[in-house]
Amino acid sequence: KAGVTQTPRYLIKTRGQQVTLSCSPISGHRSVSWYQQTPGQGLQFLFEYFSETQRNKGNFPGRFSGRQFSNSRSEMNVSTLELGDSALYLCASSFTSGNRGEQFFGPGTRLTVL
Amino acid sequence: AQKVTQAQTEISVVEKEDVTLDCVYETRDTTYYLFWYKQPPSGELVFLIRRNSFDEQNEISGRYSWNFQKSTSSFNFTITASQVVDSAVYFCALSEALTGGGNKLTFGTGTQLKVEL
Repeated sequence: KAGVTQTPRYLIKTRGQQVTLSCSPISGHRSVSWYQQTPGQGLQFLFEYFSETQRNKGNFPGRFSGRQFSNSRSEMNVSTLELGDSALYLCASSFTSGNRGEQFFGPGTRLTVL
Repeated sequence: AQKVTQAQTEISVVEKEDVTLDCVYETRDTTYYLFWYKQPPSGELVFLIRRNSFDEQNEISGRYSWNFQKSTSSFNFTITASQVVDSAVYFCALSEALTGGGNKLTFGTGTQLKVEL
């Protein structure tokens, strides 16, 4: 089975721009979660999508949004980029949506904001 | 609020030494799940183990073993006979029972393990 894939792997943007990151979960998995990893804040939960619905959202501003398609692929969008948005964005997929679900992570998208 | 503490920021050992990575958690949930992930330099988080709060049996998988002690809210990870390939950042995580369901992991700050020849 193919693992979680994320595109692009690296991205460089400038302040004020917007960016869209993509995540394809493991086949058969319906839950996709997004995490932001920075040296200062560590790994922080952004949001989770299950069956095209956002189930939970972390403590991030409205500039961070996402969506999930009927094939479970998910996209994450960040508008009006700030320098502090530079981070590794990790996507995780899980078969179920519930706290016992094992989450399998993709390789991440490294976003640099200049 | 959920919290996971990994007090060891960095550990250096010589190959073949045993090493234990500590993890202490806080939660008000009676049912919860604990995880360990490995993050090599490539960045991907690799799933190692999941343990539910009702199962306090220690687990061994090859050179890896985990000690879950509910009484002290700890879920420690031991690597026996460490190897250079074990060098990575290791994260302990706690899943949260959210209203309406859902997946959310609360991660510790990670322990950087360096195994040298």
